[in-house]
Amino acid sequence: EPEVTQTPSHQVTQMGQEVILRCVPISNHLYFYWYRQILGQKVEFLVSFYNNEISEKSEIFDDQFSVERPDGSNFTLKIRSTKLEDSAMYFCASETGGAYNEQFFGPGTRLTVL
Amino acid sequence: GENVEQHPSTLSVQEGDSAVIKCTYSDSASNYFPWYKQELGKRPQLIIDIRSNVGEKKDQRIAVTLNKTAKHFSLHITETQPEDSAVYFCAASSSGSNYQLIWGAGTKLIIKP
Repeated sequence: EPEVTQTPSHQVTQMGQEVILRCVPISNHLYFYWYRQILGQKVEFLVSFYNNEISEKSEIFDDQFSVERPDGSNFTLKIRSTKLEDSAMYFCASETGGAYNEQFFGPGTRLTVL
Repeated sequence: GENVEQHPSTLSVQEGDSAVIKCTYSDSASNYFPWYKQELGKRPQLIIDIRSNVGEKKDQRIAVTLNKTAKHFSLHITETQPEDSAVYFCAASSSGSNYQLIWGAGTKLIIKP
């Protein structure tokens, strides 16, 4: 069964550094999402992406964040200048599109900002 | 925007008993309500979902009910087993928000042997 994959599984970085989190969605999916989950807290929506552009973004997704689908398979989340409070698990999700289809989640990338 | 409240935050039940987790939402335009199960250190996985044109849906030991008038929906797990222990999240979305999921805070379900 196809799965969403994410790399790396764990990223440790210094405050102020740039990080890129990578996701490979399921191949026939059209909608892509990034969520984050601070340890022990709920999952929070960051951004949705469709047809090579951002569809929706939350207040968390400020100018420090960007997303890209550079080559038709990868879907990346970039944080330009990381802050301590960016430490969290970041989940990528994808779905086929249309109305109310299941979003399939990747295994997550644990980002630790020191 | 949408806000989803989930209760209780922790639920401890005896193995074999039923568990009920409740969620309320604020946006009347929301029309899709999935439930995810997340085991420690793992990704969230969909266990059941319901759309607004349906009041109840059942899948073996799991059922979800939706009351659109009251804007609340509930997860029911019957005959609980140790492997049901996990954190359960409810969520809501609508076409108007490009299907982004707004999540509840989660319920840690503990099944006591």
